[in-house]
Amino acid sequence: KQEVTQIPAALSVPEGENLVLNCSFTDSAIYNLQWFRQDPGKGLTSLLLIQSSQREQTSGRLNASLDKSSGRSTLYIAASQPGDSATYLCAVRYGATNKLIFGTGTLLAVQP
Amino acid sequence: SQTIHQWPATLVQPVGSPLSLECTVEGTSNPNLYWYRQAAGRGLQLLFYSIGIGQISSEVPQNLSASRPQDRQFILSSKKLLLSDSGFYLCAWSQQEGQPQHFGDGTRLSIL
Repeated sequence: KQEVTQIPAALSVPEGENLVLNCSFTDSAIYNLQWFRQDPGKGLTSLLLIQSSQREQTSGRLNASLDKSSGRSTLYIAASQPGDSATYLCAVRYGATNKLIFGTGTLLAVQP
Repeated sequence: SQTIHQWPATLVQPVGSPLSLECTVEGTSNPNLYWYRQAAGRGLQLLFYSIGIGQISSEVPQNLSASRPQDRQFILSSKKLLLSDSGFYLCAWSQQEGQPQHFGDGTRLSIL
């Protein structure tokens, strides 16, 4: 069964810290992996998409890495800010299909 | 630029009543369209997707149905709502299979 797990479920850090969010998937034959941000009561905002042939993608203070062989991806947030507080979701796609398999997310709180 | 709209933002309905949630996309043509549900404490689950007008694929058996009467319109419906239909419903679009998905702001559905 293809499953996606995110640990920890919740994380609280002081402003300015660098932090890492983890995503693991049971089937390593992925097509791509996408990281999203979800603010309370809102939809999802796409942050980064990593193709299976890539090892990392960067956007501003965000860096996502992918290790297919170990079934893991990490989202690195540098110099965290209170505005980064949100739930972060990773989603995996197998094959060039329409189906994304989502993790349950990590709730991040950055304390000012 | 492309935008996606969902309405209503919140909805409270009694058990057994009908449902119609609407999603429209602007700024693109022939998008792939998706309906997801996010239940409390669970990840997002893909309910339906559509690659074209009148073409609907269902991912899970349920009390809901979807229709695509126009190229950029996607509707989620039910004839009789159940308590278990409560949740946060998200519409999304992508340009092609395997491309990043972009989400609307969601509809919070509460069944009483």
